[in-house]
Amino acid sequence: AQSVTQLGSHVSVSEGALVLLRCNYSSSVPPYLFWYVQYPNQGLQLLLKYTSAATLVKGINGFEAEFKKSETSFHLTKPSAHMSDAAEYFCAVSEGSAGNMLTFGGGTRLMVKP
Amino acid sequence: GAVVSQHPSWVICKSGTSVKIECRSLDFQATTMFWYRQFPKQSLMLMATSNEGSKATYEQGVEKDKFLINHASLTLSTLTVTSAHPEDSSFYICSARGNSYNEQFFGPGTRLTVL
Repeated sequence: AQSVTQLGSHVSVSEGALVLLRCNYSSSVPPYLFWYVQYPNQGLQLLLKYTSAATLVKGINGFEAEFKKSETSFHLTKPSAHMSDAAEYFCAVSEGSAGNMLTFGGGTRLMVKP
Repeated sequence: GAVVSQHPSWVICKSGTSVKIECRSLDFQATTMFWYRQFPKQSLMLMATSNEGSKATYEQGVEKDKFLINHASLTLSTLTVTSAHPEDSSFYICSARGNSYNEQFFGPGTRLTVL
């Protein structure tokens, strides 16, 4: 069975500061890992995904994440936060195929202070 | 490409009535569609997986007779909440996957409020 844990339901950073959102996963097979962003009353937008190629994955809006198998982690980072980054972020895992059912973490609300 | 729409975007209904939510893949054929439910300030929980032309597979704890899913074509899946109750109020999100894509594409969601 697969599972995802996101440490920190709320993260607050100042504009221009580093963003670090943590995600740890559990999977019985090599996982496919995803980060999604959700703005209020909207669906999910894919930020980036890991599909067993490069361990450092670059996504949209300046975000990137590094797959670390030894730590079972897939933390999301962005060097400099922007006010528009304030949103809910979800880490997700699927097994067998990147298009298979997704298991989501609990989500992390990112707040950006001016 | 790979756009998924949902209709309606929000709906308010009376307790005891049924509500149908549509999920459409606009520019690709969706062989598989997923339905998720999201309570306020919570994560998404998979309700069911539907493959075109076959019965949906429901997750444990999801009542299949209450949440009717139909995936009759490669571009449309519907979720009908039957005899809705206030506890069914939630944000329902669908996603779709096609043979040409190795990922899911999400719809914008439907907010259901049952009075």
